[in-house]
Amino acid sequence: DAGVIQSPRHEVTEMGQEVTLRCKPISGHDYLFWYRQTMMRGLELLIYFNNNVPIDDSGMPEDRFSAKMPNASFSTLKIQPSEPRDSAVYFCASSRTSGPLSSYNEQFFGPGTRLTVL
Amino acid sequence: GQNIDQPTEMTATEGAIVQINCTYQTSGFNGLFWYQQHAGEAPTFLSYNVLDGLEEKGRFSSFLSRSKGYSYLLLKELQMKDSASYLCAVRDSNNAGNMLTFGGGTRLMVKP
Repeated sequence: DAGVIQSPRHEVTEMGQEVTLRCKPISGHDYLFWYRQTMMRGLELLIYFNNNVPIDDSGMPEDRFSAKMPNASFSTLKIQPSEPRDSAVYFCASSRTSGPLSSYNEQFFGPGTRLTVL
Repeated sequence: GQNIDQPTEMTATEGAIVQINCTYQTSGFNGLFWYQQHAGEAPTFLSYNVLDGLEEKGRFSSFLSRSKGYSYLLLKELQMKDSASYLCAVRDSNNAGNMLTFGGGTRLMVKP
């Protein structure tokens, strides 16, 4: 398997522009997670989906952020309008359903998108 | 809610042993994970504990005490390539799915 795929790997944009980040989870995984990582705040969960349905979006900073998962193999995270404070590395991760206590069902992370908003 | 604490930075010498601690407070518990993250890369899974005790995987071991809300990651025979951040993460049994809450990470520097 190719693992979790994210695009673009790097994005530089100007304040006010729309940014769209893309993610393809590992085939067969029914959970998809979007994280943001900064030096100051560490790794923060923004939103996660189960079977393409958003389950918890309480980590989404504000209305400028939105995420969709139109099918099992694709998700987007959109920022509109972008601001300099949105500069961070955005990770997408996927996993299988959490099972019995003995099961790992660990999350597999994509390579991330490094976003810079000028 | 969940609160996860781990030291910000640690330094150790090549060939030595280092222990990275993690304490957590959760309303429910369904497993603790350790991830390794090299600079500029994605986190990768290292270990998983859900029952008390020690799990060993080669040079890496992870320990859990649920009653104390405590875990540690033990790295033996340190190598330069072990210089990375180590993230402790807890899966809460009270949430609907496979959500993890991550600690701030411990940046380990291995010196010659």
